[in-house]
Amino acid sequence: DAGITQSPRHKVTETGTPVTLRCHQTENHRYMYWYRQDPGHGLRLIHYSYGVKDTDKGEVSDGYSVSRSKTEDFLLTLESATSSQTSVYFCAISGQVMGLQSSGANVLTFGAGSRLTVL
Amino acid sequence: AQTVTQSQPEMSVQEAETVTLSCTYDTSESDYYLFWYKQPPSRQMILVIRQEAYKQQNATENRFSVNFQKAAKSFSLKISDSQLGDAAMYFCAYRSIDSGTYKYIFGTGTRLKVLA
Repeated sequence: DAGITQSPRHKVTETGTPVTLRCHQTENHRYMYWYRQDPGHGLRLIHYSYGVKDTDKGEVSDGYSVSRSKTEDFLLTLESATSSQTSVYFCAISGQVMGLQSSGANVLTFGAGSRLTVL
Repeated sequence: AQTVTQSQPEMSVQEAETVTLSCTYDTSESDYYLFWYKQPPSRQMILVIRQEAYKQQNATENRFSVNFQKAAKSFSLKISDSQLGDAAMYFCAYRSIDSGTYKYIFGTGTRLKVLA
């Protein structure tokens, strides 16, 4: 998990409550991602960020919002959690280091994952 | 939109034998990256191998190699001399270069069992 930390790692909550997952990186990478992993669906992109305050939707963005106020932190918020959002959530980072011209490694590096259970 | 398909939900291989995991993708782009990631029971996602579409030579990493067929849009992973530690979920992934979106699209995964 070098350079990427997700918190919390495990959370149990009730339907209708707000939940925020945090992703913190020390690699100074430009791109950050949130995925969810569910059996039979693989990893599906929720949202991603291509810079501070620059975000875009992925394929399963409904019910989720994100924020990135500084390079190192990317927050995923479930405004009102539902049982269908029970999942394992992965943060990932990629590519260009902020402020440099090089293209970066062009691979995804993942955090350890956060297991969220919505009762 | 690009899609990635892994048609084998589960595969088994005897220890020390060779196994091939299949991946196909759909894209109209000419330049992109393809990846294989491994997810052992620890849940950590680990990069196995990467292929640039503009390179004709198949990528290799020790016991792991790919068969990249650009025209057929096929990207299979071959694991030689399989070891117990290779047991994991394997995900194929695609990332566009042409569009510049930096989105990584994943398949649904193949669970590999290694039999002693």
